[in-house]
Amino acid sequence: GAGVSQTPSNKVTEKGKYVELRCDPISGHTALYWYRQSLGQGPEFLIYFQGTGAADDSGLPNDRFFAVRPEGSVSTLKIQRTERGDSAVYLCASSPSLGGPHNEQFFGPGTRLTVL
Amino acid sequence: KQEVTQIPAALSVPEGENLVLNCSFTDSAIYNLQWFRQDPGKGLTSLLLIQSSQREQTSGRLNASLDKSSGRSTLYIAASQPGDSATYLCAVNSGNTPLVFGKGTRLSVIA
Repeated sequence: GAGVSQTPSNKVTEKGKYVELRCDPISGHTALYWYRQSLGQGPEFLIYFQGTGAADDSGLPNDRFFAVRPEGSVSTLKIQRTERGDSAVYLCASSPSLGGPHNEQFFGPGTRLTVL
Repeated sequence: KQEVTQIPAALSVPEGENLVLNCSFTDSAIYNLQWFRQDPGKGLTSLLLIQSSQREQTSGRLNASLDKSSGRSTLYIAASQPGDSATYLCAVNSGNTPLVFGKGTRLSVIA
């Protein structure tokens, strides 16, 4: 079956612009996660959803970052007034449920964001 | 706060060698631990997931062990091949929280 997909695969934008990154989780997965990976680092948590609601957004770096999942499936990560420091790979993952000992997250290919 | 450390940061070995990658975590109250592979410019591919009640998991030439009480996991790769060259990431799941990742080990297998 189809895995997690993310679009676009690459995004180049200018400082100050607005960008949207999209994630399509595995069908039926109720939990969805966004991570950010800077060069040479492991992924760092941004926000995760259980269904339509954000269960924890404590990883969002500031109020320029926002994410939605209006119908409990596709999610969009939105970044306003982009800065050069926002350049990174943004990874999305989904899992059948939130938490629990058998919870396994499945990752998409990521979106590489470059802010010039 | 959970912290995950991976040693070494980079490793270069000749083809055919067996090798061990190390992962340590500070809080032993975990549900499971995952090892991922990441090729340059790509996403994460899950290799092995070990539940907290398990000691090890095997898949082909890969074997991952878990010592929860000491906060350690190892990934053993047998008979390494150039195609194994990638970054290997360790991540722990502590329940109703996102995964916490190490910084990874960058492996190069030289033909």
